[in-house]
Amino acid sequence: GAVVSQHPSRVICKSGTSVKIECRSLDFQATTMFWYRQFPKQSLMLMATSNEGSKATYEQGVEKDKFLINHASLTLSTLTVTSAHPEDSSFYICSARVTGRYGYTFGSGTRLTVV
Amino acid sequence: GENVEQHPSTLSVQEGDSAVIKCTYSDSASNYFPWYKQELGKGPQLIIDIRSNVGEKKDQRIAVTLNKTAKHFSLHITETQPEDSAVYFCAAPNGTSYDKVIFGPGTSLSVIP
Repeated sequence: GAVVSQHPSRVICKSGTSVKIECRSLDFQATTMFWYRQFPKQSLMLMATSNEGSKATYEQGVEKDKFLINHASLTLSTLTVTSAHPEDSSFYICSARVTGRYGYTFGSGTRLTVV
Repeated sequence: GENVEQHPSTLSVQEGDSAVIKCTYSDSASNYFPWYKQELGKGPQLIIDIRSNVGEKKDQRIAVTLNKTAKHFSLHITETQPEDSAVYFCAAPNGTSYDKVIFGPGTSLSVIP
């Protein structure tokens, strides 16, 4: 149980375009999802906390107008990288915690390459 | 806020030997400590966790120990196998809120056949 499905797994886009990444909780309802960014050989850095039905909470230094987060239902959260630039190339990962349980379930990640 | 340090950053062991990774945290209010394994190109996977009301937890070849006084916790892998090769991250909650965790910098473990 507690599976988070993330799509796409890989995406290549041109500089200046936007890319949407989806995360779905398949067998549980996720009132809160978390979005992380991970650069090569580095740890996971929390970008934002996504709350169903309300605005996301962004970490310091993360541009909310560039990384648009939408959590319109209890099973779906999306991250849109707008006007992508090569420096946005990274591995993006979502996660969620099942209410009443400890630990987080992570999606499989999305490798974004901006050319 | 919480600060999590992790050592070593890289670790190579011979197949069959044990591997130990240690993490320290700063917030004495933290009370839940998970360990994640991340294989190349994949998301992290929870492998074991411990709450502060116990000092040790074991699950087959992996175990976690916690020393709340010293504010450190360790991952122990015995009888290592090549498939244990991955990056391991420890984490601690930011205070008592489980909704936000701070990850350690990671340890790249290589098990040499």
